[in-house]
Amino acid sequence: NAGVTQTPKFQVLKTGQSMTLQCAQDMNHNSMYWYRQDPGMGLRLIYYSASEGTTDKGEVPNGYNVSRLNKREFSLRLESAAPSQTSVYFCASNQGGEIRPQHFGDGTRLSIL
Amino acid sequence: TQLLEQSPQFLSIQEGENLTVYCNSSSVFSSLQWYRQEPGEGPVLLVTVVTGGEVKKLKRLTFQFGDARKDSSLHITAAQPGDTGLYLCAGAGRKTSYDKVIFGPGTSLSVIP
Repeated sequence: NAGVTQTPKFQVLKTGQSMTLQCAQDMNHNSMYWYRQDPGMGLRLIYYSASEGTTDKGEVPNGYNVSRLNKREFSLRLESAAPSQTSVYFCASNQGGEIRPQHFGDGTRLSIL
Repeated sequence: TQLLEQSPQFLSIQEGENLTVYCNSSSVFSSLQWYRQEPGEGPVLLVTVVTGGEVKKLKRLTFQFGDARKDSSLHITAAQPGDTGLYLCAGAGRKTSYDKVIFGPGTSLSVIP
């Protein structure tokens, strides 16, 4: 059982480059999330998708775009990467609802020079 | 804005010792979750508490939700090296939208053999 799969696991970009982080879940979950994790700041929500075809901004959406490609896949795009976007990015999914556990991928470690 | 604080930020103890970590807010939460995150991996849910005053036990871990539902604690009895990790609390409040939770910054625990 793969759960939530994120690709790539590591990436180094130069300022101004673009890239897309991929996320797929095989648990038939309705809701999917993108977070960034920075030292001392916990997990901050970038965007989420409550169901296929819908997306909403989270706490820190600036500089990012998302696509809910289908029920399984939710991608995060950096159009013009900035050093402030250096972080570890986590994708998560759940059935929806605040008390339902979120299942996380293992993260993408992104460095922007 | 609902802010979750966790203390201590770092904790290093010897195997066999007991410890308590705290999660506090000035806001009321309808439910609160505790996650553990190991290096290089995503967070994994430990427990969800939903009722003020609720106590849940998971082997050597005891979780308590404050009576006013503004705070929570995690007590570990006879800590073992396998307990090492980052402990995150996450709260869902009545004013957050249906699918979003707020994460605290975490307590990093190191249990020395």
